[in-house]
Amino acid sequence: SQQGEEDPQALSIQEGENATMNCSYKTSINNLQWYRQNSGRGLVHLILIRSNEREKHSGRLRVTLDTSKKSSSLLITASRAADTASYFCATVGTNAGKSTFGDGTTLTVKP
Amino acid sequence: DGGITQSPKYLFRKEGQNVTLSCEQNLNHDAMYWYRQDPGQGLRLIYYSQIVNDFQKGDIAEGYSVSREKKESFPLTVTSAQKNPTAFYLCASSIWGRDEKLFFGSGTQLSVL
Repeated sequence: SQQGEEDPQALSIQEGENATMNCSYKTSINNLQWYRQNSGRGLVHLILIRSNEREKHSGRLRVTLDTSKKSSSLLITASRAADTASYFCATVGTNAGKSTFGDGTTLTVKP
Repeated sequence: DGGITQSPKYLFRKEGQNVTLSCEQNLNHDAMYWYRQDPGQGLRLIYYSQIVNDFQKGDIAEGYSVSREKKESFPLTVTSAQKNPTAFYLCASSIWGRDEKLFFGSGTQLSVL
């Protein structure tokens, strides 16, 4: 079964707006990672947040982690048409090194 | 250029046929993984390997087989026992035990004729 669940499943915004997507998970984690996938391509790693961290930034990306609620959010600020893609969260558990992915959020940024 | 190369990009399987998907990496990573992605869904782990000559089943290993004879290579065979093989297959690699940050290939789309 999938560990992470993203919300919403699909998001459509105008260029320049901010996009927020959420991820919930069920068991204890070592870290949580966000990936991006353009249609028909492989995934690209965006950002990693460890279980003892609450917030991380990378360029226009901001990730938060709330381990008490077992949830994370990814904020993309000042979105661009090129941000159109699917975004996945992946959790790495405390006992196993492998990543478990959610079903993703499909983001469409309209120019 | 360092990275992961998957081939072919598109593959067609006939009924009862085994097919093999290739994955090669030159990142010097110990760990390699195979994921399956169905339309509109996330990735599900098929097999993974932490080290040469060793591999472990993932969540959906039935109907698949792998080998890891070289550090750089981790081929996946989709056997005739896999009754619903149509999917997008992704290979990835990582430094085992270092946060498991994954580097992905560009994928192989497998379809049934």
